Amino acid sequence: GQQVMQIPQYQHVQEGEDFTTYCNSSTTLSNIQWYKQRPGGHPVFLIQLVKSGEVKKQKRLTFQFGEAKKNSSLHITATQTTDVGTYFCAGPGKNYGQNFVFGPGTRLSVLP
Amino acid sequence: DGGITQSPKYLFRKEGQNVTLSCEQNLNHDAMYWYRQDPGQGLRLIYYSQIVNDFQKGDIAEGYSVSREKKESFPLTVTSAQKNPTAFYLCASRDRAVGNQPQHFGDGTRLSIL
Repeated sequence: GQQVMQIPQYQHVQEGEDFTTYCNSSTTLSNIQWYKQRPGGHPVFLIQLVKSGEVKKQKRLTFQFGEAKKNSSLHITATQTTDVGTYFCAGPGKNYGQNFVFGPGTRLSVLP
Repeated sequence: DGGITQSPKYLFRKEGQNVTLSCEQNLNHDAMYWYRQDPGQGLRLIYYSQIVNDFQKGDIAEGYSVSREKKESFPLTVTSAQKNPTAFYLCASRDRAVGNQPQHFGDGTRLSIL
């Protein structure tokens, strides 16, 4: 079946260091979404990528969609303690995009 | 203030008991979803519904049941057949009238076994 994987599972960084999480799908995706879940909270939508090779930026966050539309990455420059949380990627499922498949997430810890 | 309301926030289940988790949205979204999240894990889809009176099984539907009698409501019942129900349950909704819309999540319900 369709699988969405993320690496690394955990990442501990010192405040000010950069962070990158990678998302890989077993199938080609029409789009990919990224969510952030703070500890004890619920996932919150960050961004959606649709085009092959697309790059989008949100302040210190840079999102990229691979040329083959099977992988994506999220890069945070100069992490802050407010970046702590788990970052999930999600792609449309097999049912014509009516359902979604989430990656297992990357949990980011930022040490002050 | 529009959004998704899940209740209760915490729920305890006894052996052999069915429990129902509530999910209500006032976003006028057609699509609604139920996910299960285990500690340190990702989200796994239990059930989803695109329109009233219709729903489909997700990846882990066994031991769960849902109904969609109203557009605003999508309750999830955790039956006694679900042998390991302890988890964080998240409800989400999405506007499927516009393509590629994101999901909006409620605050979740934490279910534990007594």
